[in-house]
Amino acid sequence: DAGVTQSPTHLIKTRGQQVTLRCSPKSGHDTVSWYQQALGQGPQFIFQYYEEEERQRGNFPDRFSGHQFPNYSSELNVNALLLGDSALYLCASSLVSADEKLFFGSGTQLSVL
Amino acid sequence: AQSVTQLDSQVPVFEEAPVELRCNYSSSVSVYLFWYVQYPNQGLQLLLKYLSGSTLVKGINGFEAEFNKSQTSFHLRKPSVHISDTAEYFCAVSGGSGSARQLTFGSGTQLTVLP
Repeated sequence: DAGVTQSPTHLIKTRGQQVTLRCSPKSGHDTVSWYQQALGQGPQFIFQYYEEEERQRGNFPDRFSGHQFPNYSSELNVNALLLGDSALYLCASSLVSADEKLFFGSGTQLSVL
Repeated sequence: AQSVTQLDSQVPVFEEAPVELRCNYSSSVSVYLFWYVQYPNQGLQLLLKYLSGSTLVKGINGFEAEFNKSQTSFHLRKPSVHISDTAEYFCAVSGGSGSARQLTFGSGTQLTVLP
């Protein structure tokens, strides 16, 4: 049973560019959450998707957007990249009926130069 | 709003010694509390969680935590650590309507087990 998979594992971009990160949830899960983890800090909640809709959003600017597909996979898009967007981006999946039980992927390490 | 404070950024301890990682939270509503572990170059793995009921919660790998409502604390303990326990540990809280929809994490405690 595959867990949460994220791609790519590493990514290097320059300021002003746009990036798309991808996440496949654990088999059977219908909810996907995204977190940003800056170096030396705890993860910060970006948003959560369920039934292809953004269900809740953290304190992140509109440059951060997402999408959930009918097969429950998800994308995180970041526009107009800033140096401060450099971080590990974690995807977590869960069942909407038991969303206290999150399963995390290994993350995508984004470096903005 | 809710917040989590992990009082120690680094905790070195010798193998087979006991360890306590401290966590305090603030929230105006009832909360769920969690401890996660992160090994290098990996995502987060749930160690244990408190949702309701008994205030002493047992998790994986021999870890346990005690919820103390009066002190708003949720400290993590292990009676005897192993080299393999070396990792970053995060305390987290969620609230609102009893959902973990949005986890708020502390800044982490690096546990280093020395031989």
